[in-house]
Formats: sequence, structure tokens, C-alpha cells
Amino acid sequence: EPEVTQTPSHQVTQMGQEVILRCVPISNHLYFYWYRQILGQKVEFLVSFYNNEISEKSEIFDDQFSVERPDGSNFTLKIRSTKLEDSAMYFCASSELGGNTGELFFGEGSRLTVL
Amino acid sequence: LAKTTQPISMDSYEGQEVNITCSHNNIATNDYITWYQQFPSQGPRFIIQGYKTKVTNEVASLFIPADRKSSTLSLPRVSLSDTAVYYCLVVTGRLTGGGNKLTFGTGTQLKVEL
Repeated sequence: EPEVTQTPSHQVTQMGQEVILRCVPISNHLYFYWYRQILGQKVEFLVSFYNNEISEKSEIFDDQFSVERPDGSNFTLKIRSTKLEDSAMYFCASSELGGNTGELFFGEGSRLTVL
Repeated sequence: LAKTTQPISMDSYEGQEVNITCSHNNIATNDYITWYQQFPSQGPRFIIQGYKTKVTNEVASLFIPADRKSSTLSLPRVSLSDTAVYYCLVVTGRLTGGGNKLTFGTGTQLKVEL
């Protein structure tokens, strides 16, 4: 069964450092997403991406965050200068259809720890 | 955006049927009811989606009354491995591109015991 893969599974970084989280969505999917989940809290939407541009972003997704699809397979989330409160599990997701279906396929997540 | 309300937690035993009810009083005509499951330290996983009446797949059934103001996820004969958080979401159908932003609540923590 096709799946969304994410790397790294866990990254520890110092406050102020740049972090890039990588995702390989399912190959025929057109819509890509990043979500995050702070330990013990809700899964929160960050950004959606379609047709090589951001289609929607949340208030969390400020200027410190950026997304990119550098080639035909990878989808990355960059945090320019990490803060302690960026420590969370980051989930990449993709979907084939962005319309009426609510079926998103999530990866296993990348745990980011900011010290 | 339709707000959903579901129990914070439920306990069950192996082999039992579990029904988790979600209320969504201000659901709109274009909205679909969608359920996800999340195991600890894993991403959410789509379980089932419906618009009205009953939907069944190999994992669960979803019952939606005519007024669509609530829905019930039914898990037949649960096992220990069904211990997870279950999220009820209302997803707005869109005719244009851009994808669906899913808004997760706190979900229902289901604990299955022997």
C-alpha cells in the first residue's frame, strides 16, 4: 500500500537553528499538507499546497516557516530560526483529490525537539 | 466551520461493539462527516466518511440521521489494538482546488481492555 514517508523521524536542534523536514507524498497525489501536534495537544493545520503554491495557511505558519516542492517527489517544511515552542510532532499529508473527500494520508511524523 | 462535540474518553472490553457519537449541530449542506483514528506517536488515519444515512467499510460503520446534526461511529468487536484517539471532523466539500484543511478537535480516547 502506498504511503507518505517522512524524514527525519526525530531531530534535535538548538534554538535559532534552521530545520528542514522532508516528506515524500504518495506519487499520484496532488494536494500536500503540513500539520503539527505539540505533545498532548490537538493536531493543528499549518499549510496546504497545491499546483506548486500555498493554497491555505494558518496563523501558526508565520514568516519563520516555508514550504517547497523542489522536485517531483519531495515536499519540505523549513523552519528558519527555531524556537522552543516549535517542539512538536510534524506530520506531512497528501491527498489525491482536494475537493469533497476528507481522506488525507498522513506520514508517521517527524519529532522536532528544540533545546 | 461546523463545531463538533464528542466524549473525551470511552472504555470498552475486547469483543464489544463500541459506538462513539459526535454532535455537529451547525453542519452545512456541503459538509461531510469524517472520522480519523490516531495511535500514539503516529499520524492520523482516515477511517470512514459519510454524508447521510449509513456507510460501512471493512473497519467501521457510520450512522448519520436525517437531520445530520449528529453521527455515530460504530466499531464492531473491538480488540486491544483499537485503543486510540478517534476524531470526528466535518469537512466542507469544495468544487475548486486547494485541498481540504482538516480541523481536529480533542477527539475521543478509546481504551480497550481484556
